[in-house]
Amino acid sequence: GAGVSQTPSNKVTEKGKYVELRCDPISGHTALYWYRQSLGQGPEFLIYFQGTGAADDSGLPNDRFFAVRPEGSVSTLKIQRTERGDSAVYLCASSATSGTQYFGPGTRLTVL
Amino acid sequence: RKEVEQDPGPFNVPEGATVAFNCTYSNSASQSFFWYRQDCRKEPKLLMSVYSSGNEDGRFTAQLNRASQYISLLIRDSKLSDSATYLCVVNHPFGNEKLTFGTGTRLTIIP
Repeated sequence: GAGVSQTPSNKVTEKGKYVELRCDPISGHTALYWYRQSLGQGPEFLIYFQGTGAADDSGLPNDRFFAVRPEGSVSTLKIQRTERGDSAVYLCASSATSGTQYFGPGTRLTVL
Repeated sequence: RKEVEQDPGPFNVPEGATVAFNCTYSNSASQSFFWYRQDCRKEPKLLMSVYSSGNEDGRFTAQLNRASQYISLLIRDSKLSDSATYLCVVNHPFGNEKLTFGTGTRLTIIP
């Protein structure tokens, strides 16, 4: 069956631009997570959705970051006024309720 | 202090050897514990959950010591295919399922 998919796989943008990163979770998974992984580090939690609502957005670094999941399936992570420090791999994961989190391949974001 | 601490390595180990990793966590209220494996430029994948009683899956053994707040992973008879980064992962103690990762320990198995 299909796993978690993320698009684009790579995104290069210029400082100050707006980007959107998309995540398609495993069908039927109600929980969806966004993490960010910088080089040499483990993934860091950003935001968690249960259904359509953000159950925990405590990991979002500042108000330039926003995520939505309007129909409880696909999610979009939105970053405004990108900065060079936003460069990282953005990972999405999904799970059934209280189940194992399955990760997508990530979007590698490079801000020039 | 980081919530989850691991020795980043690298560990360079000959094929067939036994290798062990430890990890410590700071929040005593943490509920669930895992080891994830991450290959270069790939996503993390669950290797195994870690239970208080200890658990084994083939060549892999994981143990949890709640009193000392550490988690271990033992790999026996290591294979070339075991080369990867091993991430120690702790579930957030307030039960909302978010995971806290260590920095990972890089393992290279040498032929």
